[in-house]
Parts: sequence; C-alpha cells; structure tokens
Amino acid sequence: DVKVTQSSRYLVKRTGEKVFLECVQDMDHENMFWYRQDPGLGLRLIYFSYDVKMKEKGDIPEGYSVSREKKERFSLILESASTNQTSMYLCASHPGTNTEKLFFGSGTQLSVL
Amino acid sequence: GENVEQHPSTLSVQEGDSAVIKCTYSDSASNYFPWYKQELGKRPQLIIDIRSNVGEKKDQRIAVTLNKTAKHFSLHITETQPEDSAVYFCAASTGTALIFGKGTTLSVSS
Repeated sequence: DVKVTQSSRYLVKRTGEKVFLECVQDMDHENMFWYRQDPGLGLRLIYFSYDVKMKEKGDIPEGYSVSREKKERFSLILESASTNQTSMYLCASHPGTNTEKLFFGSGTQLSVL
Repeated sequence: GENVEQHPSTLSVQEGDSAVIKCTYSDSASNYFPWYKQELGKRPQLIIDIRSNVGEKKDQRIAVTLNKTAKHFSLHITETQPEDSAVYFCAASTGTALIFGKGTTLSVSS
C-alpha cells in the first residue's frame, strides 16, 4: 500500500519563523502536491511538482516555497510564518501514469502564534 | 485556472434516504472528476471517479453523473447509512493538478 508520510502531526511556531514541512512517499510517484485545508474553504492547492527539481504554483502560492531535491521527498517552506498560515497542511502524491488517484498524508496541523 | 463550485455545503438526511451533491467546473479542458470522502480526523480517500468520455459510473450505493455540456457533475448516494456521515469533496483536473470544491458535510441520522 502506498505510504505518504508527513514528518509532524502537530506543529507550533512563532510569527516570523522559517518553517519546513516535510513529506515523503514510498511508491516512486512522479507527482507530489501540497494543499492546505481550512474549514469552509476545502482543499486549496499551494504548489505541486512533476519531477525532481520541478515545481509549479497552485492557486495560493504566496508566502510559500517548495523544494524537491529527491523524487520521494517534497518539502513545503514558509519563509516567514504568519498567523494567517495557521492551517492543516496535506501532502499528496500520484503516479502520473494512467491514474490521477491522489494518496494523501495524514496532515500537519500548523499553528502560528 | 480551474474553479470548482460545490453545493450544498451541508446536507442532513435520514438513514435510508438518498443524498445528492452537485458540482460545477469552469475549465472545459477538464477531463477527470473524482470524489473524495473525509471522515473526521482522517485523510481524504477516493470513493469514485469519472472521466469526460463517460456520462455515468456506479459502484454499489454510489454513482456519479457528468454533463460535459453544462460542466456539471453530481454524486448520488442511495440508501444512506450513518457511516456515510463525512465531508465529501468533488474535484476536477485537466491532467495537471486536482482542484477541489469547498466540500459538503453530510450527516446521516438514524
């Protein structure tokens, strides 16, 4: 079974801190995604990546950056955390061939104080 | 880019009733339309999907219909059960990334 692992389930950070959210998948998937989930707003796409060192902006990239140095790992970076980035962050992946079924991680609940 | 609208935001039904959730999309190039179910505290899970060359797909008590002309697709759940209570998300994709609707909270009371 595909496993998408996010490094932290809960994270508390201070305003202005640089924050790294890590995601690792174990099925050699080409495509990886970062979404944030807020009540009433659904899942909003932040960034995605088709391949190592490739990245594409989603609908809400402002205040975020990403890194994909290895195929299995996709990191989301908050350069200077702000309170409006308090949210649930979900990483996902899919193989990219013949299926677009997303496999989600369990999420990281980030609180910025 | 793609925009997906989902209605209603909340839906309450009695056990055994049917539930219908509707979505519209904006990008006529979208060709893949999945539905995800998210139970409280858990990650979203794919329950059914449909591609643009198909008008309807059924899997036991769940069915999805697609109207490409109207850019509209719907999820139908028959004979609802308490375990169907969850948040349901529709999504659309042109083959790049999935764009999700805002979700529907379905409550099934016994």
